[in-house]
Amino acid sequence: DAGITQSPRHKVTETGTPVTLRCHQTENHRYMYWYRQDPGHGLRLIHYSYGVKDTDKGEVSDGYSVSRSKTEDFLLTLESATSSQTSVYFCAIGGDRNTGELFFGEGSRLTVL
Amino acid sequence: GENVEQHPSTLSVQEGDSAVIKCTYSDSASNYFPWYKQELGKGPQLIIDIRSNVGEKKDQRIAVTLNKTAKHFSLHITETQPEDSAVYFCAASYSGGGADGLTFGKGTHLIIQP
Repeated sequence: DAGITQSPRHKVTETGTPVTLRCHQTENHRYMYWYRQDPGHGLRLIHYSYGVKDTDKGEVSDGYSVSRSKTEDFLLTLESATSSQTSVYFCAIGGDRNTGELFFGEGSRLTVL
Repeated sequence: GENVEQHPSTLSVQEGDSAVIKCTYSDSASNYFPWYKQELGKGPQLIIDIRSNVGEKKDQRIAVTLNKTAKHFSLHITETQPEDSAVYFCAASYSGGGADGLTFGKGTHLIIQP
C-alpha cells in the first residue's frame, strides 16, 4: 500500500470554526490532491499540488485553502466550516505522466453541525 | 472542463453472471481512462486503466473497452464473485493522468447476489 496517512480520520465540528485536515506521504511523490466524496456526486477535486509551494484550484475549491511547505505534507483548511462541507475527504498522490495512477488515503470524515 | 457521466448508479447481478458499467466523457482531448474500485470504508483503488491509443485491455476477469469516436468507455467484469461487490468509479483525464487530477463519474454500486 502507498504510504499515505490522513488525519484526523473523523471530526465533528460546529459551523464557523476553522478545520485543518492533514495528508502525509512517505513516497516522496511530487503530485498530491484533495478530493471530496458526496453521495450522488462521486469524487470531486478540491485542490492539487505539483510541488512544494505550488498549488492550484480544482473543481470545487470555494471555501477551501491548501498549503504544501514540505514534499510529504499537504494540508487542507476550511477557514470557516459550513454544513455544506460535511463530507468525506480523500487525499491522493500520484498521477505522473508515465503511470497516471492515483493512490488514495483512507479518508477523513468531517461533520459540520 | 471535462464531464464524465456514469451508468447505472446501481447494478445488481447474480454471482457468476457478467456486469457492465458504462461511461461517457465530453472532452475529446482526454486520453487516459482509469477505473477505480472502492470498498466500504476505504479509499478508491485502481483496478484497470486504458489510454486512447488502445481499444481494449484485459486483466483476468476484468476488461475495459474504449470508443474514442463515440467518447465512451466501459468496464466488463465476467464470472462475478462476492468480493466484486463495491462502488466502481470511471474517470478521465486529458493530461495522461497528470498533475491536474482526474474527473470522476458519480459511481456505480455493484451488488453481487448469491
